[in-house]
Amino acid sequence: DQQVKQNSPSLSVQEGRISILNCDYTNSMFDYFLWYKKYPAEGPTFLISISSIKDKNEDGRFTVFLNKSAKHLSLHIVPSQPGDSAVYFCAANDSGGGADGLTFGKGTHLIIQP
Amino acid sequence: DVKVTQSSRYLVKRTGEKVFLECVQDMDHENMFWYRQDPGLGLRLIYFSYDVKMKEKGDIPEGYSVSREKKERFSLILESASTNQTSMYLCASSLDRAQETQYFGPGTRLLVL
Repeated sequence: DQQVKQNSPSLSVQEGRISILNCDYTNSMFDYFLWYKKYPAEGPTFLISISSIKDKNEDGRFTVFLNKSAKHLSLHIVPSQPGDSAVYFCAANDSGGGADGLTFGKGTHLIIQP
Repeated sequence: DVKVTQSSRYLVKRTGEKVFLECVQDMDHENMFWYRQDPGLGLRLIYFSYDVKMKEKGDIPEGYSVSREKKERFSLILESASTNQTSMYLCASSLDRAQETQYFGPGTRLLVL
């Protein structure tokens, strides 16, 4: 049973436009959410995170929005650049559960077109 | 900067061989993790450790074991490699139980023939 879902396997966006990646979760105990970016043959790189006490966190071109009632979060990238082309993983954690790893979605392949 | 290193980037082994994957982190992190990544399946947790000599099973521990003799080093062992263990293996670490952000190594792509 997938607790973290990324329903779009791929997304194509024109350079300069906004990229919006979506993620849904089912476990109401999750209280910390992260986005990772992964290039082929490399490990995931941490991008941005958000605690459940917030509904928005911004870092440069990246903003993560959290809607707890809908159990939904999204990553906005503005403006999109060619180097943003990668697979993006959404991840969630139940911090009260101790260090038991993150639960990852299956990823969304973002393609930025020139 | 957190640095997580893995002993090999690419590895080719034969069915039945014992395989060791090594991971080292240099930031004195308490927690270390092993994941595998497969197309269409995302990252799945194999084992994790929150202290030296401690280990906990993740979601898919079958066919694997781990060792954490020193705080900075976490080893993944495939006792008898099988073709369905061909995958990308990713090691990660995090500071402690209050810090959930995990930092990943570059990965080891393992091919079992």
